Amino acid sequence: NAGVTQTPKFRVLKTGQSMTLLCAQDMNHEYMYWYRQDPGMGLRLIHYSVGEGTTAKGEVPDGYNVSRLKKQNFLLGLESAAPSQTSVYFCASSYSRGARNQPQHFGDGTRLSIL
Amino acid sequence: GENVEQHPSTLSVQEGDSAVIKCTYSDSASNYFPWYKQELGKRPQLIIDIRSNVGEKKDQRIAVTLNKTAKHFSLHITETQPEDSAVYFCAAIFQKLVFGTGTRLLVSP
Repeated sequence: NAGVTQTPKFRVLKTGQSMTLLCAQDMNHEYMYWYRQDPGMGLRLIHYSVGEGTTAKGEVPDGYNVSRLKKQNFLLGLESAAPSQTSVYFCASSYSRGARNQPQHFGDGTRLSIL
Repeated sequence: GENVEQHPSTLSVQEGDSAVIKCTYSDSASNYFPWYKQELGKRPQLIIDIRSNVGEKKDQRIAVTLNKTAKHFSLHITETQPEDSAVYFCAAIFQKLVFGTGTRLLVSP
């Protein structure tokens, strides 16, 4: 049981390049999330998904797109990378049992630098 | 939108002392309040959580209290140890999880 796995762990991009971050979970969780973490700003939600085939915007969605084609995978895309997107990106997943929210389990993060 | 404020941003204590981190939230409908510990370069890990139908919860040296009327909740760590040094995040959720900005706790031997 690997939990939440993120790939890649590190990446350096040039401004304008595109890339996709992959998140995979093997816990059969319905909900999945993408966060970015910047110094002094905690974790901010980019996009999230409440189930296969569904996605929704979080607090800071601009410049990012996501897809949830399979329940176990949640992809985060940067179409045209900008230096402001330099950050550490965390994926998380959780169960949902009706109105009772459940703990989120995080991956190890992807450190992304945009030059 | 929902907002979570966390204080202090840094906290230094001596080994064996207690540490208290406080958070306030804006959405009175929030019903779940987890606390995460993040060591340098590592993932956030859940250390304790509390739901809105409970006022206090303890797990060994860690406790969390919730005051729904005042919309604030606190993390209490007793008998601190150097390995407690990390960044601690509070969070509140109704529809989505909103995190505080974190508290860097340093426990000196």
